[in-house]
Amino acid sequence: QKEVEQDPGPLSVPEGAIVSLNCTYSNSAFQYFMWYRQYSRKGPELLMYTYSSGNKEDGRFTAQVDKSSKYISLFIRDSQPSDSATYLCAMSAPGGSYIPTFGRGTSLIVHP
Amino acid sequence: NAGVMQNPRHLVRRRGQEARLRCSPMKGHSHVYWYRQLPEEGLKFMVYLQKENIIDESGMPKERFSAEFPKEGPSILRIQQVVRGDSAAYFCASSPRSSTDTQYFGPGTRLTVL
Repeated sequence: QKEVEQDPGPLSVPEGAIVSLNCTYSNSAFQYFMWYRQYSRKGPELLMYTYSSGNKEDGRFTAQVDKSSKYISLFIRDSQPSDSATYLCAMSAPGGSYIPTFGRGTSLIVHP
Repeated sequence: NAGVMQNPRHLVRRRGQEARLRCSPMKGHSHVYWYRQLPEEGLKFMVYLQKENIIDESGMPKERFSAEFPKEGPSILRIQQVVRGDSAAYFCASSPRSSTDTQYFGPGTRLTVL
């Protein structure tokens, strides 16, 4: 079993839809949770960063962490074609070098 | 403020040659990380460096791969005697103070081994 599992998709939705992206993980030591967006042929850029459990909202994006279920989600409201990208979850544990472990990414396509 | 810079953006090498990938961190950042991305495997950590020090190289293959971040100049990821399996996108990221800080990624170098 991989430490971080993420469905690669692709996930195709119409413009304006609510998108739900998810990751599960096995390492209960993870405390820091991140979502990155990666456009084709570009480097990942950080979208959301949360510590421990709970919700965090930033504009159209909401990140949720459920540590009891080892499950994290990213919701995108009113999705736009410009949101079409690969979304990578990442998580790290305190101690050591805090290097994040990434999911393989979910490809999202928002069509007009 | 320029972001993380990587060069070359594309690199083609024949089997057995050496590949040198360069990364200039964001201004004021002293921590550099190298990752490799394969289509079916996602982003995999390779090595974490500070100026003149390797902090964590747990993701580096034991042979043919090396990395440095000298006092002056960019960080270098060096792959000796490349093989076809080394073909991938290599990303560099930097952070200002420590690995608990946000990492900012460069555009990547796409290595193709013929």
